Amino acid sequence: SYVLTQPPSVSVAPGETAKITCGGDNIGTKSVHWYQQRPGQAPVLVIYYDTDRPSEIPARFSGSNSGNTATLTIRRVAADDEADYYCQLWDSSGDYVVFGGGTKLTVL
Amino acid sequence: QVRLVESGGGLVKPGGSLRLSCATSGFIITDNYMTWIRQAPGKGLEWISYLSQTGDTKYYADSVKGRFTISRDNAKNSLYLQMNSLRVEDTAIYYCARGYSYEDAFDIWGQGTMVTVSS
Repeated sequence: SYVLTQPPSVSVAPGETAKITCGGDNIGTKSVHWYQQRPGQAPVLVIYYDTDRPSEIPARFSGSNSGNTATLTIRRVAADDEADYYCQLWDSSGDYVVFGGGTKLTVL
Repeated sequence: QVRLVESGGGLVKPGGSLRLSCATSGFIITDNYMTWIRQAPGKGLEWISYLSQTGDTKYYADSVKGRFTISRDNAKNSLYLQMNSLRVEDTAIYYCARGYSYEDAFDIWGQGTMVTVSS
């Protein structure tokens, strides 16, 4: 089955840029979605189809996907961005939804 | 307002059964693909099951195949998850979520319902 690999944690100072990666075999040929999950809350979609952003999500959030790595970028990181972030895709070869293991973003 | 509300969670013994419900509002369930996703305490997200827009195609994760059944009631605009032969490792928060195709993102999530399997 398809595997998505995320770093367990990323730390960044307020105002800086956070990059959270999601690795997978030829992931650039697939559509990747990203979710933010704050403690005790349900996940919220922040990026869909690699680069698109729901209207309610700040423009500081952006995504990219190429080769074997998809990336979620959060510019001008704020304390409120501290959360777990998950990448996700549909594995059509196995008819399976795949989630990455999640990355805990810590704002220093 | 588009909303999903799960219910039916609780404490059950290993080998027991439970039926989760996901009440939807603000959209027509037959217009969407619906899914169940769970999260064990302190762990990441795990996809469980998918129901197609037409309702005639269902996909399951290997971890629940043969034990869990996804279904819906169009008249009640509700999604269900029948869970049988429950195991301790099924303990998790169970979320229902909405998509528009298999490849699509899950744009709306419920708040989740907790299932605890313990003797």
